[in-house]
Amino acid sequence: GEDVEQSLFLSVREGDSSVINCTYTDSSSTYLYWYKQEPGAGLQLLTYIFSNMDMKQDQRLTVLLNKKDKHLSLRIADTQTGDSAIYFCAGARGSQGNLIFGKGTKLSVKP
Amino acid sequence: GAVVSQHPSRVICKSGTSVKIECRSLDFQATTMFWYRQFPKKSLMLMATSNEGSKATYEQGVEKDKFLINHASLTLSTLTVTSAHPEDSSFYICSARAVAGGGGFYEQYFGPGTRLTVT
Repeated sequence: GEDVEQSLFLSVREGDSSVINCTYTDSSSTYLYWYKQEPGAGLQLLTYIFSNMDMKQDQRLTVLLNKKDKHLSLRIADTQTGDSAIYFCAGARGSQGNLIFGKGTKLSVKP
Repeated sequence: GAVVSQHPSRVICKSGTSVKIECRSLDFQATTMFWYRQFPKKSLMLMATSNEGSKATYEQGVEKDKFLINHASLTLSTLTVTSAHPEDSSFYICSARAVAGGGGFYEQYFGPGTRLTVT
């Protein structure tokens, strides 16, 4: 299977919370990352979590990490239309820290 | 924050011609640059990793003679698609990293991408 897996689509209403899930196979990554890609643009680092942490909160973003189950999630509180984008989770591999991305979850926010 | 630019943002070329894409780190020195290819509804596929002043390391299945990468300075890497064909049409994204962070933290800054269409 893929190294990093994500569901492809998520649709929520404005003001609701969004939860984007990710599972991974390689547990050697010291950090795990969430990137956001808006249409026709490159990737922007949203947040990251150290592998020894269970949770990290940064304003509207909450990252949960379950190392036992190799499961990572990103919760966006009070989702806005501007949050509509593709969200990628990623781990780092190897001595050069090459990022390995999931296929991305397309978040659609309906007004 | 760190800014990475790509040029051009969009290019259309005829089959058989070569196309060069530039990736620049504008406000930091990038010791390592990465080139990705993104297919519709698919993840980013790492094509190659380049370190300044040395040859690029290509991922398995990526033709190094077709996708020429030059990392001539700490702020510039170029990807040349040689003898382009329609199947090379894609969204190409570069990223740059200043230094490997302490404790295994690898933050990469991404360019805005280049849409290549080969007719």
